[in-house]
Amino acid sequence: QVQLQESGPGLVKPSQTLSLICTVSGDSISSAGYYWSWIRQHPGKGLEWIGYIYYSGSTFYNPSLKSRVTISIDTSKKQFSLNLNSVTAADTAVYYCARDSGGYDTLDYWGRGTLVTVSS
Amino acid sequence: QSALTQPPSASGSPGQSVTISCTGTSSDIGAYNYVSWYQQHPGKAPQLMIYEVTRRPSGVPDRFSGSKSGNTASLTVSGLQAEDEADYYCSSYAGSDFLVFGGGTKLTVL
Repeated sequence: QVQLQESGPGLVKPSQTLSLICTVSGDSISSAGYYWSWIRQHPGKGLEWIGYIYYSGSTFYNPSLKSRVTISIDTSKKQFSLNLNSVTAADTAVYYCARDSGGYDTLDYWGRGTLVTVSS
Repeated sequence: QSALTQPPSASGSPGQSVTISCTGTSSDIGAYNYVSWYQQHPGKAPQLMIYEVTRRPSGVPDRFSGSKSGNTASLTVSGLQAEDEADYYCSSYAGSDFLVFGGGTKLTVL
């Protein structure tokens, strides 16, 4: 059974960088065909796709966030990470990591999510 | 890319059927057979219910079904049960390695 777990600071100051790690267990992060994704959900709102990364390191980002987002992968640690710079209160959200089987919108395994609040 | 359009709410009585719509454009739903539906209970992570328009992951009851016509996708829940009360989100592949979600529909079982 594939499991994903987000970790990282729950509070980030405005203008700083939000950094989260997703640890994958129960499956190889290097398996072909899977894209490792980040999605966020603003409080009481809908879902927003941030981007994903393939095990090879290829990355794909939401155009609305592309200038501030970096997703990276460490296959040896079975982890992938999210960096979002120059954050504002508008970046306060629950951040989820998930596995996309095929890269065409099949998010079949999700982490439990972690709330990140941007505040001074 | 704009979010897909869903009705904010839907409801039905136990045993009834309810259909939730998801409207996109010719660049997303209308262009690809990659539409998914997710169920989210309060405080929980979303769960995949339908993918590739009509396919159900293992373990999802066959009461849940999906369809698509033109730029609009639909999720039908038949034989409503109390545990079906949740938020439902549609999503679609939108080309150029980009995914877009709908705004969500709150399903109430009366």
